[in-house]
Amino acid sequence: RKEVEQDPGPFNVPEGATVAFNCTYSNSASQSFFWYRQDCRKEPKLLMSVYSSGNEDGRFTAQLNRASQYISLLIRDSKLSDSATYLCVVLVLNAGNNRKLIWGLGTSLAVNP
Amino acid sequence: DTGVSQDPRHKITKRGQNVTFRCDPISEHNRLYWYRQTLGQGPEFLTYFQNEAQLEKSRLLSDRFSAERPKGSFSTLEIQRTEQGDSAMYLCASSLGGLGKKLFFGSGTQLSVL
Repeated sequence: RKEVEQDPGPFNVPEGATVAFNCTYSNSASQSFFWYRQDCRKEPKLLMSVYSSGNEDGRFTAQLNRASQYISLLIRDSKLSDSATYLCVVLVLNAGNNRKLIWGLGTSLAVNP
Repeated sequence: DTGVSQDPRHKITKRGQNVTFRCDPISEHNRLYWYRQTLGQGPEFLTYFQNEAQLEKSRLLSDRFSAERPKGSFSTLEIQRTEQGDSAMYLCASSLGGLGKKLFFGSGTQLSVL
């Protein structure tokens, strides 16, 4: 099982739709969680960190479910400009007490007019 | 623009040649990371520096790869005897503080090995 798994999509949704992505992680010692956004042929950029209590930033809501070991990203009222790949990133504690960031493969979203 | 800059943006080389990429991080950032990304994949960690010290290298980083950050500022990534499998986007990122802090990425260097 991969350490961080995402459905690659693509998710094709009409403008104004609500869309949700999940990301599952295998290491129960995972400490921090992030969603990055990557536009086509561009570098990744931090979209939001994911806090234990869940957090919201405008149309974006991130949640963490430690019991089931997944995080989610909800996008409401989707815009054409939301079309991108959404990368799940998990900070894990390795054997040997080393921490490292594990990146998912990303979920591709296409918002259509 | 005081973001992370990478040079060159594109590099085309023949198999067997050596290539070197440069990354200039955000000036006050103490951590610098190198990642590699191929189409349809997430970024793969290669190595990172805290100031001038290289603290971790991925098993992906074969003996043909070497990275330096001599004065704790800019960094270089060299690939010797390039192979076609080295073709990828090489991304540099920097952050202030430890893992878990926001990573700021450069635009990357796209390497094509013919």
